[in-house]
Amino acid sequence: QVQLQESGPGLVKPSETLSLTCTVSGGSISSHYWSWIRQPPGKGLEWIGYIYYSGSTNYNPSLKSRVTISIDTSNNQFSLRLTSVTAADTAVYYCARDGTGAWYFDLWGRGTLVTVSS
Amino acid sequence: QSALTQPASVSGSPGQSITFSCTGTSSDVGSYNLVSWYQQLPGKAPKLVVYEVSQRPSGVSNRFSGSKSGNTASLTISGLQAEDEADYYCCSYAGSGTYVVFGGGTKLTVL
Repeated sequence: QVQLQESGPGLVKPSETLSLTCTVSGGSISSHYWSWIRQPPGKGLEWIGYIYYSGSTNYNPSLKSRVTISIDTSNNQFSLRLTSVTAADTAVYYCARDGTGAWYFDLWGRGTLVTVSS
Repeated sequence: QSALTQPASVSGSPGQSITFSCTGTSSDVGSYNLVSWYQQLPGKAPKLVVYEVSQRPSGVSNRFSGSKSGNTASLTISGLQAEDEADYYCCSYAGSGTYVVFGGGTKLTVL
């Protein structure tokens, strides 16, 4: 079955750029919407943004100035870049699939903790 | 401050029914039948249990049901079981520009 796996550094320094990749296995990245969602320790979920397999994107307006989501269909991967990070960006970052474009997330990765600290 | 309002905690005994509320506005919950609910067990990723207000994904127990009235969506778990103890999050589409909003989550304790 289709699985998602996040990868990337677990520690990022303040003011630097957070970069994560989500690898889709067991299925094609084409014809779905792919999102990043984060969860600060002990807190709730926050949608960061999505990319469609065609490359079109939409972002959370509160993060839009710092976020870029890209896709590599040849490698079945999509990626997140978040610039100028602060301690407030410390969170578990999940990649997730919206399989139908109806704004719900039917498949999630296991998540990866990213800590922003010097 | 989450965009959707959920009570911080609820509790119930095995076998009971329990209902979670999720209050939004006319810009999100009230305008779209695009409310979804997620169950998050400790240390795990969220799992979709209801989508489009009241639809259940394949494999999710029929003890889970969803509804909506005005700006408030609800998730009901009937026949409460110990394994239902988790955090539950609601989510709604909020239109072009904002797109997706989550609630702050409700912690369910099974007594």
